[in-house]
Amino acid sequence: DTGVSQDPRHKITKRGQNVTFRCDPISEHNRLYWYRQTLGQGPEFLTYFQNEAQLEKSRLLSDRFSAERPKGSFSTLEIQRTEQGDSAMYLCASSSPQTANTGELFFGEGSRLTVL
Amino acid sequence: KQEVTQIPAALSVPEGENLVLNCSFTDSAIYNLQWFRQDPGKGLTSLLLIQSSQREQTSGRLNASLDKSSGRSTLYIAASQPGDSATYLCAASGAGSYQLTFGKGTKLSVIP
Repeated sequence: DTGVSQDPRHKITKRGQNVTFRCDPISEHNRLYWYRQTLGQGPEFLTYFQNEAQLEKSRLLSDRFSAERPKGSFSTLEIQRTEQGDSAMYLCASSSPQTANTGELFFGEGSRLTVL
Repeated sequence: KQEVTQIPAALSVPEGENLVLNCSFTDSAIYNLQWFRQDPGKGLTSLLLIQSSQREQTSGRLNASLDKSSGRSTLYIAASQPGDSATYLCAASGAGSYQLTFGKGTKLSVIP
């Protein structure tokens, strides 16, 4: 399967610990997005990369959050000093230059974070 | 700031019925409108994408329409099946931005 891959699928951590999520986009997709979804809500935009450049960040991305895409391929999302309010599903999506005009996104299965 | 609302929040129908899910958005200056399906604990699967210049898109038993002037989109599902049970999300993409603004979704249950 060559879809968007996210790891780990589920992470349980204690408050105050750091966590890191990884996203591998579909091959050849140069655009990568992170969204956060809490229970009963729709996903909320966090940040967007085109190749290795981080072009857009939401105000939701506090100082404790950092996202990278060092070589324009996979991306990591790190949350430092986790809080219970960080508990959510973190979704990654990608898109290709060919679908840039339509804006179609392909989402991964998500990484669920539970902060105790 | 774009706001997307989906009504109803939940819907239960008997198998075989046709149904309509509603989505409204506050800013008509959208780039596109997308409908997604989400199964419990899973990611999002793209169903239909309507660009701002289009009025509707069809895929199998699904038909989505877009009326920018009224700020509304509908997703029509024909001859519903139990396998259609899921949460359906609509999302609007603003011109000049790569952000999608999502509604909270409509949870559909199709009863056999």
